[in-house]
Amino acid sequence: AQSVSQHNHHVILSEAASLELGCNYSYGGTVNLFWYVQYPGQHLQLLLKYFSGDPLVKGIKGFEAEFIKSKFSFNLRKPSVQWSDTAEYFCAVTGTASKLTFGTGTRLQVTL
Amino acid sequence: DTAVSQTPKYLVTQMGNDKSIKCEQNLGHDTMYWYKQDSKKFLKIMFSYNNKELIINETVPNRFSPKSPDKAHLNLHINSLELGDSAVYFCASSQEGTAQETQYFGPGTRLLVL
Repeated sequence: AQSVSQHNHHVILSEAASLELGCNYSYGGTVNLFWYVQYPGQHLQLLLKYFSGDPLVKGIKGFEAEFIKSKFSFNLRKPSVQWSDTAEYFCAVTGTASKLTFGTGTRLQVTL
Repeated sequence: DTAVSQTPKYLVTQMGNDKSIKCEQNLGHDTMYWYKQDSKKFLKIMFSYNNKELIINETVPNRFSPKSPDKAHLNLHINSLELGDSAVYFCASSQEGTAQETQYFGPGTRLLVL
């Protein structure tokens, strides 16, 4: 069975600071990896995803993530966060089936 | 022009009652899902339907019964509600239901069982 770990539960950053959120997965086969974001009071929306090709993927709003197969990781990065990035961030994985297995989420709080 | 919509947005009810949550998508997608988000924000899949056919059925109590009258709708009916059913329920959809597709989520239904 697949599983996802997000070790940072709550991250507080000042505007313009760099961001890296950790995500590690456990799955024996080929994986597809996703980062979803949930802004306060809003629905989940996709930031980026990886399923093949260049392991460095770029998403919306300046976010990127790097798939490192040897480390079973798919960390999310942004060079300079903004106050509007305050949200809950979820890493997720699918294997052969389309069911998303989510991590427990990381709450990002960006202060002015 | 909402892509995935859910009603109601909030639902407060007593233990033992039966309630339904409706979900509709106007994206023309073939596959729809229900996820449950608990008080610790942990999201877990419950069901998946592809063109009205049940594809994924996780270990969910029999009190939960999804119903798909057509491929644009996936409703969730819950019998004999329990305190532990309190959560936010998210509906989602994807084009064909493959593992690489983006899933589009609805705004969620916050259920509180008293």
